Amino acid sequence: EIVMTQSPATLSVSPGERATLSCRASQSVSSNLAWYQQKPGQAPRLLIYDASTRATGIPARFTGSGSGTEFTLTISSLQSEDFAVYYCQQYNGWPTPTFGGGTKVEIK
Amino acid sequence: QVQLQESGPGLVKPSETLSLTCTVSGDSISRYYWSWIRQPPGKGLEWIGYIYYSGSTNYNPSLKSRVTMSVDTSKNQFSLKLSSVTAADTAVYYCARPRRDAFSRDAFDIWGQGTIVTVSS
Repeated sequence: EIVMTQSPATLSVSPGERATLSCRASQSVSSNLAWYQQKPGQAPRLLIYDASTRATGIPARFTGSGSGTEFTLTISSLQSEDFAVYYCQQYNGWPTPTFGGGTKVEIK
Repeated sequence: QVQLQESGPGLVKPSETLSLTCTVSGDSISRYYWSWIRQPPGKGLEWIGYIYYSGSTNYNPSLKSRVTMSVDTSKNQFSLKLSSVTAADTAVYYCARPRRDAFSRDAFDIWGQGTIVTVSS
């Protein structure tokens, strides 16, 4: 099983600032990586797929980058609605897709 | 607009079988690999497995011995059964659809709202 490790566990950021979230895979997943945003009481929402492609309707302030084992999600200027938990997920490994443990982005 | 809706008992006794159904609306079930994903309270996401409309399945090895999935194309539904449950199976259970049809490995772009299942006597 491919293990996904996210850091930091919690990120404290002021509105308007940049947030940088990291995700590391225990072995290469090529570009088969997705990022999700989850707010309390809601299902995850797909933000990024194929490591760097924004899903439909996702604002341009969300940027994904990386390949292989190291990935980054950058939120260029945090809005109030962006404070949430973010998960990465690899879909390269067989037989199971796996998720990272999440990064909580909170208001500083 | 594709929508997924989970349904089933919210409370299951230890050692019994958890049974959930996901109803797909706005799209045919006969195009995608449909997954179940769960999230224990305050924790991360765990993929349980998928089923294709043909009945082909793939389960997470950590749960494989207890999981059975089935599909009913006439009702546009697919189902999850998890046997011999314990408190560790308490979670929000989501059904989800991958972004591309006929792809078994993909990001999940459509999720149900989730249903909370508590295992307790």
